Amino acid sequence: QVQLQESGPGLVKPSQTLSLTCTVSGGSISSGGYYWSWIRQHPGKGLEWIGYIYYSGSTYYNPSLKSRVTISVDTSKNQFSLKLSSVTAADTAVYYCASYRLDAFDIWGQGTMVTVSS
Amino acid sequence: QSALTQPASVSGSPGQSITISCTGTSSDVGGYNYVSWYQQHPGKAPKLMIYEVSNRPSGVSNRFSGSKSGNTASLTISGLQAEDEADYYCSSYTSSSTWVFGGGTKLTVL
Repeated sequence: QVQLQESGPGLVKPSQTLSLTCTVSGGSISSGGYYWSWIRQHPGKGLEWIGYIYYSGSTYYNPSLKSRVTISVDTSKNQFSLKLSSVTAADTAVYYCASYRLDAFDIWGQGTMVTVSS
Repeated sequence: QSALTQPASVSGSPGQSITISCTGTSSDVGGYNYVSWYQQHPGKAPKLMIYEVSNRPSGVSNRFSGSKSGNTASLTISGLQAEDEADYYCSSYTSSSTWVFGGGTKLTVL
């Protein structure tokens, strides 16, 4: 059974770049049929899709974040990563990594809280 | 892209059935059979409950069912149990090749 685990700093200063990594265990990130996703949830709010990547490197991003987002994959480490540049307090959220399969987000990491503050 | 519209809250007594609606447009819910539903307990990650409008992943109780009519999808939970109390989110693929979520519905089991 595939499991996902997010890691990265819990505190980022305004205007800096938020960087998170998701480690995939129990399966290969190069398995066909999976897209590897990032989704966030502002405190007390709903879910927001950030984007996803196929192991080949094809990416799809939320248009509202596209100018600041980069999602990449490292097949040698079985990891994929999120970079969000020029962060503000509005980027404070719980960030989840998830696998996209069955035309849905079927497996989720536990989530990691990221606070943007000086 | 605008969030899909869900009621903020619904409630029901144990054993009853409830339905949560999720309204979008012809560019998302109405245009694709790629609607999914997620259950989220406080402090936990969301869990996939329904995919492709009405399919249940392995391990999800058959008390959960999904349907769609036009631009509105629905999640029905029958035989309500205390453990069903949670937030529920719908999601849909869109014509922009992106994904959009609903604002979430808080289910209270009375």
